[in-house]
Amino acid sequence: GDSVTQMEGPVTLSEEAFLTINCTYTATGYPSLFWYVQYPGEGLQLLLKATKADDKGSNKGFEATYRKETTSFHLEKGSVQVSDSAVYFCAKGNQGGKLIFGQGTELSVKP
Amino acid sequence: DTGVSQDPRHKITKRGQNVTFRCDPISEHNRLYWYRQTLGQGPEFLTYFQNEAQLEKSRLLSDRFSAERPKGSFSTLEIQRTEQGDSAMYLCASLVTGNFGYNEQFFGPGTRLTVL
Repeated sequence: GDSVTQMEGPVTLSEEAFLTINCTYTATGYPSLFWYVQYPGEGLQLLLKATKADDKGSNKGFEATYRKETTSFHLEKGSVQVSDSAVYFCAKGNQGGKLIFGQGTELSVKP
Repeated sequence: DTGVSQDPRHKITKRGQNVTFRCDPISEHNRLYWYRQTLGQGPEFLTYFQNEAQLEKSRLLSDRFSAERPKGSFSTLEIQRTEQGDSAMYLCASLVTGNFGYNEQFFGPGTRLTVL
């Protein structure tokens, strides 16, 4: 069935380190792909999106490229900050606009 | 634009009781979605509405769950005869269709249900 799989956390990094959070999805058609972020005590927020193959979504220094050949949408950031500490969810759009989420990856950035 | 709001933010109930949650979407958003999120997991789709019509229900939505959106604006999610396994965060999201390209889903803060 439809699923999104992302790397397990928690991920702990030092400030200014490089971040990669892996995400793969089951390929049914050509879904839109998303990364959502949930900061402590807050609701889900859209971080970035890509709607077709080879698109690169970017926001706040984060990037992810829609790779159809590997069914992946890995999240990257060149230099993380303490304020990036949050839970990150990869998601794919499905029929009717509903979202299928991965299990989430908790990121903790230490100063 | 005040965003998606949900009420209550927290609900503690005893097993077997009925509970009802409310979601107010962003005004003029015609689609409204309900998700459930358990600890350490991503949100799981429950159901969605386009205006007042309920277009899809997940298998997760047992007979004890019912959702309505009577006038195509706010929505309610009722759980009858709650069980401890119903303890979760219930999220509501809304979007407006019809724009060219992708239509972003905006999430509310959620209602955290604890069943004792």
